[in-house]
Amino acid sequence: GAVVSQHPSWVICKSGTSVKIECRSLDFQATTMFWYRQFPKQSLMLMATSNEGSKATYEQGVEKDKFLINHASLTLSTLTVTSAHPEDSSFYICSAAGAGGVYEQYFGPGTRLTVT
Amino acid sequence: QQQVKQSPQSLIVQKGGISIINCAYENTAFDYFPWYQQFPGKGPALLIAIRPDVSEKKEGRFTISFNKSAKQFSLHIMDSQPGDSATYFCAASKGSGGYQKVTFGTGTKLQVIP
Repeated sequence: GAVVSQHPSWVICKSGTSVKIECRSLDFQATTMFWYRQFPKQSLMLMATSNEGSKATYEQGVEKDKFLINHASLTLSTLTVTSAHPEDSSFYICSAAGAGGVYEQYFGPGTRLTVT
Repeated sequence: QQQVKQSPQSLIVQKGGISIINCAYENTAFDYFPWYQQFPGKGPALLIAIRPDVSEKKEGRFTISFNKSAKQFSLHIMDSQPGDSATYFCAASKGSGGYQKVTFGTGTKLQVIP
């Protein structure tokens, strides 16, 4: 149980376009979802925290207007990278909480974004 | 400010050996310390976790040792296998106030050689 999926698993887009990444909790209701960004050979950096039906809370330095997060239901959160640039190329990972205790988070498989 | 420091950055261990990864934290409000295993191109997967009210937790070949006074914790992988080759992240979070963000260490790339 406690499976989190992401779609797409990889995406290539042109500079200036927008791309949407979906994060779904498949077998539980995710009260809270988190979005992380990971550069090659580096750790995961939290971008934002989203609660169902509420506005996302962004970490310092993360542009709210560039990385739009929507948590419209208890099983779906989306991250939209607007006006993407090559420096936005990264591995984006979501996690979801709500399946077990307050400490347990389940991570998705990640989405590789390449902006050309 | 980095809140969870992890060492070593990389580690090579022979098959059957013990892999040891160390972490230190600064925020005494943390009350949950998980370890994650990540394979290339995949999301991290929870390996084992510990609360600060115990000093050690063992699950199979994986053991967490926790030293609350020193604000340090470590992961021991016994009888290391080539399939254990991955990047390991220690992390910390606090449970008060609902679901809280996880602060990750910098990661340790483990290579287990036959």
